[in-house]
Amino acid sequence: QSALTQPPSASGSPGQSVTISCTGTSSDVGGYNYVSWYQQHPGKAPKLMIYEVSKRPSGVPDRFSGSKSGNTASLTVSGLQAEDEADYYCSSYAGSNNLVFGTGAKVTVL
Amino acid sequence: QVQLQESGPGLVKPSQTLALTCSVSGGSISSGDYYWSWIRQPPGKGLEWIGYIYYSGSTYYNPSLKSRVTISLDTSKNQFSLKLSSVTAADTAVYYCARDRVSGVRCSGGSCFYAPGWYFDLWGRGTLVTVSS
Repeated sequence: QSALTQPPSASGSPGQSVTISCTGTSSDVGGYNYVSWYQQHPGKAPKLMIYEVSKRPSGVPDRFSGSKSGNTASLTVSGLQAEDEADYYCSSYAGSNNLVFGTGAKVTVL
Repeated sequence: QVQLQESGPGLVKPSQTLALTCSVSGGSISSGDYYWSWIRQPPGKGLEWIGYIYYSGSTYYNPSLKSRVTISLDTSKNQFSLKLSSVTAADTAVYYCARDRVSGVRCSGGSCFYAPGWYFDLWGRGTLVTVSS
């Protein structure tokens, strides 16, 4: 099972929006609504930002939103803030009791 | 407030077995509401799911690691553990334990079970394990 494909980096100015893609196949992203997104600051553990494609855990700002179309999931961060600068990873159920993560994308706030 | 804490040796020799424990505080590992998982991250690289265990003892493993991985739990100590055998330098990573909320009942082949939600809402801080002689 290959890692899901994410762009290495994305950037935006404060207040702007940035969207990160997560591309898989019909056997993972396209086949199930079990896509999640995690934010990871340097030296810290990942933090859940989105689960089941578009659901936000309690405490996550509504500036973070998730969606999916076909084999590609997306995370959008609106109203970028300095603290949003971090690495972001997607994950998806891949069938047969298996989970796969994305390659990770670094978001830079200019 | 539930917390997870990884512990174990920070250095393991090649070909030996890596062994880590995750201690769960503030909640019971036997509640049945969660699956318990191990995830790792090589330095400067991405995340890799290792496997799950449920309080019943049911386990799911990453197929790429399945032949070398064992996840077990000790309900009396409220802990779960990871063993990874025949390690090489490629197993050097920060190892995280994490929690996954049960998503509901799934039925397959005439049997039903509580399925993972396939997302991790609580993580430990992680522990770096280096494989080197």
